[in-house]
Amino acid sequence: QVQLRESGPGLVKPSETLSLTCSVSAGSIRSGTYSWTWIRQPAGKALEYIGRIYTSGETNYNPSLKSRVSITADTSKNQISLKLSSVTAADTAVYFCARDRDHSYMDVWGNGTTVTVSS
Amino acid sequence: DIQMTQSPSSLSASVGDRVTITCRASQSISRYLNWYQQKPGKAPKLLIYDASSLHSGVPSRFSGSGSGSDFTLSISSLRPEDFATYYCQQSYSAPPTFGHGTKVEIK
Repeated sequence: QVQLRESGPGLVKPSETLSLTCSVSAGSIRSGTYSWTWIRQPAGKALEYIGRIYTSGETNYNPSLKSRVSITADTSKNQISLKLSSVTAADTAVYFCARDRDHSYMDVWGNGTTVTVSS
Repeated sequence: DIQMTQSPSSLSASVGDRVTITCRASQSISRYLNWYQQKPGKAPKLLIYDASSLHSGVPSRFSGSGSGSDFTLSISSLRPEDFATYYCQQSYSAPPTFGHGTKVEIK
């Protein structure tokens, strides 16, 4: 059973870059018709799509975040990484990575990691 | 972006009740509609994909229907573990977008 685990700093200063890693176990990030997606959720609010990376290496980002987001894959480590630059308090949220099956529905999720933007 | 509107935003129900949640898309999305359940402090879990397909391991009391722009999630007989927040999500066009959630509370 594929498992995902997010990791990274829980506190980031305003204007700096948020960096998170999603480690995938019991499955290769290169296999199948999957993409790997980052989603975030501010406290008490709805889920927001950040972006995804396909097995081809192609990426797709939410237009609202596109200028600040980068998602990459390290196949040697079986990890997906998220970088979000120039963060503000509005970027404070729980960040989830998820496996996106057939680029359609997210069938496996990590537990999420909380990131707070504060000086 | 396609906007997803869920109703109600919250509801109170008793164990054993039938519950229906609706989700409306701002344009037709065919059947590219998924439903997730989220409990406090936990990640969302996939319940239904492609409007009506039950994800593996999800109890059969959950069902989904609809096409075009109007969709429903039904729980035939509410159990204590079903009290949670439910989200719809469209996968018709990028970026995928979510509804704002429906919180199902105990009456």
